[in-house]
Amino acid sequence: GAGVSQSPRYKVAKRGQDVALRCDPISGHVSLFWYQQALGQGPEFLTYFQNEAQLDKSGLPSDRFFAERPEGSVSTLKIQRTQQEDSAVYLCASSRRGDTREQFFGPGTRLTVL
Amino acid sequence: AQKITQTQPGMFVQEKEAVTLDCTYDTSDQSYGLFWYKQPSSGEMIFLIYQGSYDEQNATEGRYSLNFQKARKSANLVISASQLGDSAMYFCAMRAYSGAGSYQLTFGKGTKLSVIP
Repeated sequence: GAGVSQSPRYKVAKRGQDVALRCDPISGHVSLFWYQQALGQGPEFLTYFQNEAQLDKSGLPSDRFFAERPEGSVSTLKIQRTQQEDSAVYLCASSRRGDTREQFFGPGTRLTVL
Repeated sequence: AQKITQTQPGMFVQEKEAVTLDCTYDTSDQSYGLFWYKQPSSGEMIFLIYQGSYDEQNATEGRYSLNFQKARKSANLVISASQLGDSAMYFCAMRAYSGAGSYQLTFGKGTKLSVIP
């Protein structure tokens, strides 16, 4: 596609439910990043993939957060047993390579946990 | 660790005037990159401008320029001839190598710019 797409755009979950957020990066982009943006804050790094390999998951806040990119293209961020503090916008970004200057961002998924 | 500080939660500017959005950073790395992104209410992050730590000249992209003062560790964004469509959140960010093959971005808290007709 022309840009990074994310689905769903909005997700409401009851506390304790599992959710899965999808990211379709720009075709051919090797690198994929996930960020979490809490209300009124800047995005914070969660995890990084180079092709299918998850090279950096230092930003994942707990073991309830899990990300995968099995074929090196589409990525899924899964949050198990959601908590209210997980409410945020989850942004996905891709770039041609890890050291490429520009990261292209998707529109984000706004997750609300009730 | 890297840190980005944006001290202006909100700014107002008259249409067609110039505005400066402040950004200071802290890093122990010698090589780094500084970015400005615009985030409209629709939510996507739009890349505006980039400055490398070794770039001798200030970066410019159309109406955007980056006032880079390395010794003061500041990277202010200047928007000239403001337009109504410039109303948005603006984030300063630094690219740092994590050591795990990842050039993650560290963002500031943002500045909300409102352009007044």
